[in-house]
Amino acid sequence: DAMVIQNPRYQVTQFGKPVTLSCSQTLNHNVMYWYQQKSSQAPKLLFHYYDKDFNNEADTPDNFQSRRPNTSFCFLDIRSPGLGDAAMYLCATSRDGPGRITDTQYFGPGTRLTVL
Amino acid sequence: QKEVEQNSGPLSVPEGAIASLNCTYSDRVSQSFFWYRQYSGKSPELIMSIYSNGDKEDGRFTAQLNKASQYVSLLIRDSQPSDSATYLCARTTAGNQFYFGTGTSLTVIP
Repeated sequence: DAMVIQNPRYQVTQFGKPVTLSCSQTLNHNVMYWYQQKSSQAPKLLFHYYDKDFNNEADTPDNFQSRRPNTSFCFLDIRSPGLGDAAMYLCATSRDGPGRITDTQYFGPGTRLTVL
Repeated sequence: QKEVEQNSGPLSVPEGAIASLNCTYSDRVSQSFFWYRQYSGKSPELIMSIYSNGDKEDGRFTAQLNKASQYVSLLIRDSQPSDSATYLCARTTAGNQFYFGTGTSLTVIP
């Protein structure tokens, strides 16, 4: 089945140790998103790629970076994780960008990050 | 994210009743609206999308959009215990912006 896949599902890292989260999709969608979701809060958009065009949200910390080497894969790099970065990280895809008629987002299962 | 307002709940309804979830938003340029369901510890899953004023029905779910009054609602008929979850309202704008509400927690009591 076409889907959005995230690896790993659970990630434990140490304070300050870089970590990379992975997302892949078989939907052939143009847009890929990364969200951070903390307990009892709404998902917070960090950035998104429209094809190779990177769009960073204004309040996304510099500690968070992303790479999209091809249509299918997108990575979230956290350069120096702090305790406050512990959260669920959600990857999503959509055929078109926000505001278009086909902008419905489909989410992967998420990666739960623990920072020790 | 103040751009989308939802009552956080919790909302409790008995099994078989109609659950009504509401969402308001703050500007008139929103174009697309979505309702997602999120079970605890899981990722959001799409229930409905709606783009035009009026009602849109899909099984037990009905989304209602009123752009003049800037609200979108979700009705769940014949509520089941399996409907117990957090419901997230979301909207997008032509300006490439996407906003989630904080979600409403729904509990369906058997």
